[in-house]
Amino acid sequence: QAQLVESGGGVIQPGTSLRLSCAASGFTFSIYPLHWVRQAPGKGLQWVAVISFDGTNKYYADSVKGRFTISRDNSMNTLYLQMDSLRIEDTAVYYCARDRAMFGLVNALDMWGQGTVVTVSS
Amino acid sequence: DIQMTQSPSSLSASIGDRVTITCQASQDTSNYLNWYQQKSGKAPKLLIYDASTLETGVPSRFSGSGSGTHFTFTISSLQPEDIATYYCQHYASLPITFGQGTRLEIK
Repeated sequence: QAQLVESGGGVIQPGTSLRLSCAASGFTFSIYPLHWVRQAPGKGLQWVAVISFDGTNKYYADSVKGRFTISRDNSMNTLYLQMDSLRIEDTAVYYCARDRAMFGLVNALDMWGQGTVVTVSS
Repeated sequence: DIQMTQSPSSLSASIGDRVTITCQASQDTSNYLNWYQQKSGKAPKLLIYDASTLETGVPSRFSGSGSGTHFTFTISSLQPEDIATYYCQHYASLPITFGQGTRLEIK
């Protein structure tokens, strides 16, 4: 059964760092682009970042550019999100999601993890 | 950035009703438009991609149409399990953006 499972969330103070992981199984990980999407409490969905199937292309939302880094390890079937200089407004459920655009970059997000909660609070 | 505006923000309908949600893009997005369903406490689920193509396994009562800047999502006969928030999302350019969501309730 194909799935994505996020981990690494927690409660952290502003200005600190956190790394999220997303472990994939049940499909050929290395041919799909992957995204991080977040959802603040009671709010809608906000796209965070995307990485191409081979990791060579990465794009970010302006709100996280320069602070967050998306990466992947195709040998480990794992996606990462390194979050530095965290702010209170980064508090959200963070989802990893697979894009259906095999060998492409952006199309539709056809598989989502269950999400991991990040709370930034002093 | 392309802004996506959904309407209405919330909707109450009866079982069996036809339900329609609209999504307006601030720029031409061709047919690069997807629709998702998110049930309370769960991850979003892709229902429709490329404006009108039904994702595998999604019931045929769901449909989408439109192109350019105006898109429509329809549930032909509302079922109890359709209680959720629905989001449109474009992928015409980066950043991809989502509409603000339409919360659907059963009357």
